Amino acid sequence: DQQVKQNSPSLSVQEGRISILNCDYTNSMFDYFLWYKKYPAEGPTFLISISSIKDKNEDGRFTVFLNKSAKHLSLHIVPSQPGDSAVYFCAASASGAGSYQLTFGKGTKLSVIP
Amino acid sequence: GAGVSQSPSNKVTEKGKDVELRCDPISGHTALYWYRQSLGQGLEFLIYFQGNSAPDKSGLPSDRFSAERTGGSVSTLTIQRTQQEDSAVYLCASSVFADTQYFGPGTRLTVL
Repeated sequence: DQQVKQNSPSLSVQEGRISILNCDYTNSMFDYFLWYKKYPAEGPTFLISISSIKDKNEDGRFTVFLNKSAKHLSLHIVPSQPGDSAVYFCAASASGAGSYQLTFGKGTKLSVIP
Repeated sequence: GAGVSQSPSNKVTEKGKDVELRCDPISGHTALYWYRQSLGQGLEFLIYFQGNSAPDKSGLPSDRFSAERTGGSVSTLTIQRTQQEDSAVYLCASSVFADTQYFGPGTRLTVL
């Protein structure tokens, strides 16, 4: 039973355009969400996070939007650059006991075409 | 500063053999995590260490899996009597308490 779902295994975008990566979750206890980026042969790198008390968090070219009623979040990258080509993982956690335990989606491979 | 390091980077073993995977966390990080990523899957939580507290082993898939953290720093994940389904990338992460987790490059384990 997948509690965090990334339904698009891959996405191709032209350099300079917007990349939108989507993530859905089923566990209503999740209240903290993160995006990690992973290059081949490297570990995931933290990118951006959002708490459930917010619906948007922005950091430079990266913005995460959270729609709690739809249990959906998305990562927007504007403008996309070739160096953004990587696998992006959505992750979630629930506050309280076990809050350190992240539940990950399967990832979306983003390819930014020059 | 140095990030999380893991060794070996690759390990090929025969079914039934035991393997040990090592993780060196970022200095000063009190929390250490092990995850597993099987082919085409997301990261799966295995175990969590926090300071001197008893570890959370709830993610370990079977009793063939065990982990230790000596002196609150280096950790070893041991898999006994390896099976082909154990083939995966094993990732270690560390953090200050339960804050943002920083991952190592992983150990790719192949069980023949």
